[in-house]
Amino acid sequence: EAEVAQSPRYKITEKSQAVAFWCDPISGHATLYWYRQILGQGPELLVQFQDESVVDDSQLPKDRFSAERLKGVDSTLKIQPAELGDSAMYLCASSVPGQANTEAFFGQGTRLTVV
Amino acid sequence: GEDVEQSLFLSVREGDSSVINCTYTDSSSTYLYWYKQEPGAGLQLLTYIFSNMDMKQDQRLTVLLNKKDKHLSLRIADTQTGDSAIYFCAETRTGGFKTIFGAGTRLFVKA
Repeated sequence: EAEVAQSPRYKITEKSQAVAFWCDPISGHATLYWYRQILGQGPELLVQFQDESVVDDSQLPKDRFSAERLKGVDSTLKIQPAELGDSAMYLCASSVPGQANTEAFFGQGTRLTVV
Repeated sequence: GEDVEQSLFLSVREGDSSVINCTYTDSSSTYLYWYKQEPGAGLQLLTYIFSNMDMKQDQRLTVLLNKKDKHLSLRIADTQTGDSAIYFCAETRTGGFKTIFGAGTRLFVKA
């Protein structure tokens, strides 16, 4: 069964270090989302891609976060430098465009702990 | 998730019905969703309802939408221990398809 793949599942890093997460969406899904889920809260959209283009990054802290999807397939989310408050679950999701997220499929997430 | 509100916890006995409630704020929202998240896992879309509908039923799940009060509910019939999870209400707003999530309701099912 097709699924959204994320790596790594868990990451522990020291503050001020750089960290990167990878997401491989379901084949054929042009829309890709990165969400951050802080413990006890719902997911918050960080960035949304349509193919290789960013369509919404209004909630992405651009001084330290960056995201790319160079070939319009897999994507990387980077944090540099990491801060203690970045500890959270980072979820990737993908969907077929034009369906208003009705068929968004989520990966299992990367749980980041910054120490 | 500051514009979508849910109660944080719900406890029911196995076999009973569970009703999880949600209020949202954007009357222009087009789709409203219920997602399920099990421990350590990503989100699983359970069901969704389009904003011009009042009710949707899918096996044990019933979604009710009251647009006047901006209230959405999810009823799980014959709740099982496997239904224990966090349930997130979400809305997609027009213009950009941005989805806003609530903080989630943790459902505990007692045997």
